[in-house]
Amino acid sequence: EADIYQTPRYLVIGTGKKITLECSQTMGHDKMYWYQQDPGMELHLIHYSYGVNSTEKGDLSSESTVSRIRTEHFPLTLESARPSHTSQYLCASSTGGNYGYTFGSGTRLTVV
Amino acid sequence: AQSVTQLGSHVSVSEGALVLLRCNYSSSVPPYLFWYVQYPNQGLQLLLKYTTGATLVKGINGFEAEFKKSETSFHLTKPSAHMSDAAEYFCAVSLYNQGGKLIFGQGTELSVKP
Repeated sequence: EADIYQTPRYLVIGTGKKITLECSQTMGHDKMYWYQQDPGMELHLIHYSYGVNSTEKGDLSSESTVSRIRTEHFPLTLESARPSHTSQYLCASSTGGNYGYTFGSGTRLTVV
Repeated sequence: AQSVTQLGSHVSVSEGALVLLRCNYSSSVPPYLFWYVQYPNQGLQLLLKYTTGATLVKGINGFEAEFKKSETSFHLTKPSAHMSDAAEYFCAVSLYNQGGKLIFGQGTELSVKP
């Protein structure tokens, strides 16, 4: 079944640790996105990619980095986690145009 | 630049009552419009979308929305609320000439009282 997967679902980690949030999709979508969602619900685009070896920063400045080496895989990395990184991170993919996005279930990150 | 405004961050209705969630957009060209629903600790799920054609679009779970170009609106409605409709709802717009990138509204939390 075509889908988009995020792991882990929940992560509690100490300050200063390096973490990678995984996102994979089986739909062959070229476009992939990372959103940060704060407790007030609003979605903030932090990174996006329109294809392999293509990544761009989003509207909200983020200390995280991303890579797109394979079409299906779009991991997000924080080199040194801080409490201010505590949030929910949502990954999405799309073919573009009028199809909208397919979202993963999200990763809820807590940095203590 | 295009933007999306959802009027009301919280809406509360009684079970069986009409649900109306408001969404207005600003765009200089006809957009594609979407409504997504988010249940607790989940990602967003597509409820319905308007691209072209009929301006009244029906989605899942009994929801529908009407595109009104003159009012630049795309309000979401459901005739009779169920307890299971309690969730966050997001309106989004994309432009055909921007690769399908979505601009989201701030979200509206719907509460349903028994």
